[in-house]
Amino acid sequence: GAVVSQHPSRVICKSGTSVKIECRSLDFQATTMFWYRQFPKKSLMLMATSNEGSKATYEQGVEKDKFLINHASLTLSTLTVTSAHPEDSSFYICSARREFNSPLHFGNGTRLTVT
Amino acid sequence: GENVEQHPSTLSVQEGDSAVIKCTYSDSASNYFPWYKQELGKRPQLIIDIRSNVGEKKDQRIAVTLNKTAKHFSLHITETQPEDSAVYFCAASMSGGSYIPTFGRGTSLIVHP
Repeated sequence: GAVVSQHPSRVICKSGTSVKIECRSLDFQATTMFWYRQFPKKSLMLMATSNEGSKATYEQGVEKDKFLINHASLTLSTLTVTSAHPEDSSFYICSARREFNSPLHFGNGTRLTVT
Repeated sequence: GENVEQHPSTLSVQEGDSAVIKCTYSDSASNYFPWYKQELGKRPQLIIDIRSNVGEKKDQRIAVTLNKTAKHFSLHITETQPEDSAVYFCAASMSGGSYIPTFGRGTSLIVHP
């Protein structure tokens, strides 16, 4: 159990366009979902915490108007990278958990390339 | 907030040797310490976790120890195999912070056959 599905796995887009990434918990209800950005050979950088039905909490330095997060249900959270630029190219990965202090379950990640 | 330091950043061992990865945390209120393994191009996966009410936990070749006084915890892998090669992340989380885990920088473990 505890499967998290993330789509798309890879996306290439042109500078100035927007890209939406979906994160779904397939077999459990996730009270909280997290969005991370991971640079090559680097750790997971938390971008925001998303709780169902409420506004996401963004980490310092993360532009909330650029990285729009919606957590419409207990099984779905989306990250939209708006007006993407080449510097937004990265590996984005979501995670979800059933309840506080339970293990995180990660999606497979999305490799975003902005040309 | 919480700060997690992880060492070493890279660890190279021969197959069959043991590997130890260490993490320290700053906030004594942290009470949950998971370890994740991320193989190249794949998602991080939980391999073992420990809560602050125990000092050691073992699962086959993997063990984790926790020293609350010193605020450090370690991952021990015995009889390493090439398939253990991956990046390992430690994390710490605490009540009051909505249990948002803080991750270490990761350790790239390379097991040479």
